[in-house]
Amino acid sequence: EVQLVESGGGLVQPGGSLRLSCAVSGFILSDHYVDWVRQAPGKGLEWVGRSRNKDNSYTTDYAASVKGRLTISRDDSKNSLYLQMNSLKIEDTAIYYCTRPNIVISYALDVWGQGTTVTVSS
Amino acid sequence: QSVLTQPPSASGAPGQTVTISCSGGSSNIGSKSVSWYQQLPGATPQLLLYNTDRRPSGVPDRFSGSKSGTSASLAISGLRSEDEADYYCASWDASLSNLLFGGGTKLTVL
Repeated sequence: EVQLVESGGGLVQPGGSLRLSCAVSGFILSDHYVDWVRQAPGKGLEWVGRSRNKDNSYTTDYAASVKGRLTISRDDSKNSLYLQMNSLKIEDTAIYYCTRPNIVISYALDVWGQGTTVTVSS
Repeated sequence: QSVLTQPPSASGAPGQTVTISCSGGSSNIGSKSVSWYQQLPGATPQLLLYNTDRRPSGVPDRFSGSKSGTSASLAISGLRSEDEADYYCASWDASLSNLLFGGGTKLTVL
């Protein structure tokens, strides 16, 4: 079964840092892209960033709202992806989902993790 | 503010057909694939349609999609109470190198 499981969320003060993890199973991580998507309380979905696969040199893209503060990395040997979050702002408060853009279906997000909650507050 | 524009709400009676629109531009919907996601209350989003009108296994054929120019639509026929959810469109933007989501449409089954 294909699964993505996020962890690492919690309460952090403005300006602080946090690292989220996404553990994948049921597929070969190096063959796949992975996206982070977030949802602020009572709000819609917001794309955060993308990590491409080995064939695409693991390149990344980020939303303008997080560029320079949030960084995606991965360790294929551990079947894990990470979202390093620095200089956190109150508006970064959200549920963070790890998702899989499936190359076969035009990169539609076919598998979602259950999400991990990040709260930025003093 | 979302770059893909959806109506914030939609409604219909059981059995009726409701359509949700998603408006974008030439660098996203106009030239890229569109997908739709359903988020039931309190749940994680799930893929509903990909490549504009293709359904993943398990999605009923009551859900259909279309695209014309820089706009896409999701149609739900034979509305059922369990269709009450938030619906989001998405499309990659070639200019921004970002995945764009619509603001979401809250569907109410009357």
